[in-house]
Amino acid sequence: QKEVEQNSGPLSVPEGAIASLNCTYSDRGSQSFFWYRQYSGKSPELIMSIYSNGDKEDGRFTAQLNKASQYVSLLIRDSQPSDSATYLCAVITSGTYKYIFGTGTRLKVLA
Amino acid sequence: GAGVSQSPSNKVTEKGKDVELRCDPISGHTALYWYRQSLGQGLEFLIYFQGNSAPDKSGLPSDRFSAERTGGSVSTLTIQRTQQEDSAVYLCASSWGRGTDTQYFGPGTRLTVL
Repeated sequence: QKEVEQNSGPLSVPEGAIASLNCTYSDRGSQSFFWYRQYSGKSPELIMSIYSNGDKEDGRFTAQLNKASQYVSLLIRDSQPSDSATYLCAVITSGTYKYIFGTGTRLKVLA
Repeated sequence: GAGVSQSPSNKVTEKGKDVELRCDPISGHTALYWYRQSLGQGLEFLIYFQGNSAPDKSGLPSDRFSAERTGGSVSTLTIQRTQQEDSAVYLCASSWGRGTDTQYFGPGTRLTVL
């Protein structure tokens, strides 16, 4: 079992819709969770970090963490074509400072 | 302030040659990470530094790969006797070094081995 799993996609949503991206992780002791966005040919950039169970909102983005079920999700409201990118989930495993990245979900927002 | 910088941005080399890739982290960041990303693939962890020491080298693919960090700042990733399968984008990231900290990525070095 991979340590951090994401559906590779592509996930296609129409402009204005809500895009839902999911990530599961295997290390139950993980404490820190991140979502990065990576445009083609560019390096990853941070969108959200989340550390506690529940929801965290930042503009059109909401991160959701459920430690009991070991999943973290990212919701993008009012999706725009400019949101089309690969979204990487990252987890810091317990007892280390090592980030484990998922393989990413490719999102396509259709105009 | 200045972000993470990497040099060169592009490197084309012949099979069998050695290459050095450089990373300048954000000032004050104690943790530094190297990753490799092949075309269309995810991030492959290579090595992690805390200060000048490397507590985790588990991702280095072979003994042709080595890295060092001096003065708790600049890091160099060296690939000896390059092979075509080494072609990828090499990304460096840095953070404050605490377990909750965000990593900030540099622009990457695209390595092409002919």
